[in-house]
Amino acid sequence: DIVLTQSPDSLAVSLGERATISCKSSQNVLYSSNNKNYLAWYQQKPGQPPKLLLYWASTRDSGVPDRFSGRGSGTDFTLTISSLQAEDVAVYYCQQYYSTPPTFGQGTKLEIK
Amino acid sequence: QVQLVQSGAEVKKPGSSVKVSCKTSGGIFNSYTLNWVRQAPGQGLEWMGGITPMFGSANYAQKFQGRVTISADESTSTVYMELNSLRSEDTAVYYCAREGSGAGSYMDWFDPWGQGTLVTVSS
Repeated sequence: DIVLTQSPDSLAVSLGERATISCKSSQNVLYSSNNKNYLAWYQQKPGQPPKLLLYWASTRDSGVPDRFSGRGSGTDFTLTISSLQAEDVAVYYCQQYYSTPPTFGQGTKLEIK
Repeated sequence: QVQLVQSGAEVKKPGSSVKVSCKTSGGIFNSYTLNWVRQAPGQGLEWMGGITPMFGSANYAQKFQGRVTISADESTSTVYMELNSLRSEDTAVYYCAREGSGAGSYMDWFDPWGQGTLVTVSS
């Protein structure tokens, strides 16, 4: 199984500042035939299901604010929130869908400093 | 807009079984893969398995092989997840989640998600 390791486990950022979360994969998730990275990012608030933010590592889902962006390729990825808002407090997960079983990172808890 | 609505919370005894349902509405049922993902209290997300109704057969995570059965009822656009031989470690919120792109594949992101069903296993 592909192991995804997120860092840090928790992060405190001031309102309006940048937040960056890393996701490292134990195997390459870039599919050479279509040059796409099979990686998604989710946001989960307490008592709610995860919400899709990004897929193909950097494509924002419909309605996701443009302060959320994703970068990376192969085994190293980042999720960046350019200007933290109060409503961004949540746990963030990366997920690979390159191979079965799909697997998730352990999560990064984002709080306001 | 696609919606996934799950059945309500369950309390079960160790050794028993639980069957959770996930009814889909607002979209095509047969050709999308529907997955089950669980989350133990305060823990991360774990894929259990899934099914593409038009293909019929389910695919399971090795960890749950032999203990979980995922099925689909096309007449009601509902997917089920049955977990047997329950133990305390199975206490978790169970989510159904549809594949995002509609390729009928497990190589996909998950969107949307059901609201979750809390299963508590306690003697």
